[in-house]
Amino acid sequence: ETGVTQTPRHLVMGMTNKKSLKCEQHLGHNAMYWYKQSAKKPLELMFVYNFKEQTENNSVPSRFSPECPNSSHLFLHLHTLQPEDSALYLCASSPNTDTQYFGPGTRLTVL
Amino acid sequence: GENVEQHPSTLSVQEGDSAVIKCTYSDSASNYFPWYKQELGKRPQLIIDIRSNVGEKKDQRIAVTLNKTAKHFSLHITETQPEDSAVYFCAAQIPTGANNLFFGTGTRLTVIP
Repeated sequence: ETGVTQTPRHLVMGMTNKKSLKCEQHLGHNAMYWYKQSAKKPLELMFVYNFKEQTENNSVPSRFSPECPNSSHLFLHLHTLQPEDSALYLCASSPNTDTQYFGPGTRLTVL
Repeated sequence: GENVEQHPSTLSVQEGDSAVIKCTYSDSASNYFPWYKQELGKRPQLIIDIRSNVGEKKDQRIAVTLNKTAKHFSLHITETQPEDSAVYFCAAQIPTGANNLFFGTGTRLTVIP
């Protein structure tokens, strides 16, 4: 349960604020991911980092900015968000195989 | 890219009955199919997975079947218990360097005591 951690667990922010989400994995994995989970929608992949290099950016608006300083840490910087960005943001990590392990998520509310 | 469809979106069963959730995928190159369980307010957790070189896999009360020809795979839960109540997600992965998973929309399973 503590292999992938995320902070904060809950975040409320205004549209003009700047905040950051943090993810840390203690599993020795080389790949990390950000997902957005909204009600009644599939999990949406946002960003993928493999060995600290960004390999995927699924047409995510520039108001979301990822950062991966090392293979254990992943950040998602947020600025000038919209109310429709309110969702659960999940981080995941995986080794060189396929299985992804998820963190507990950050519940984000944009006012 | 891959498109994964999942049915039903909601499923209610009596405790002790079986539950079946079905998914289809579009890209025949997909070769890895995990299933995740997400309880209310918790993270998605892997419960079982299957690779394309296998047709069926079982782990206690949970089993997954894969039909590569028809491009569909199913989750079977037998002897359901109230703690099986959760949202279940299927996923399919195309073998690329990015390890991308494509998820279904989820099935909310309710087991009625």
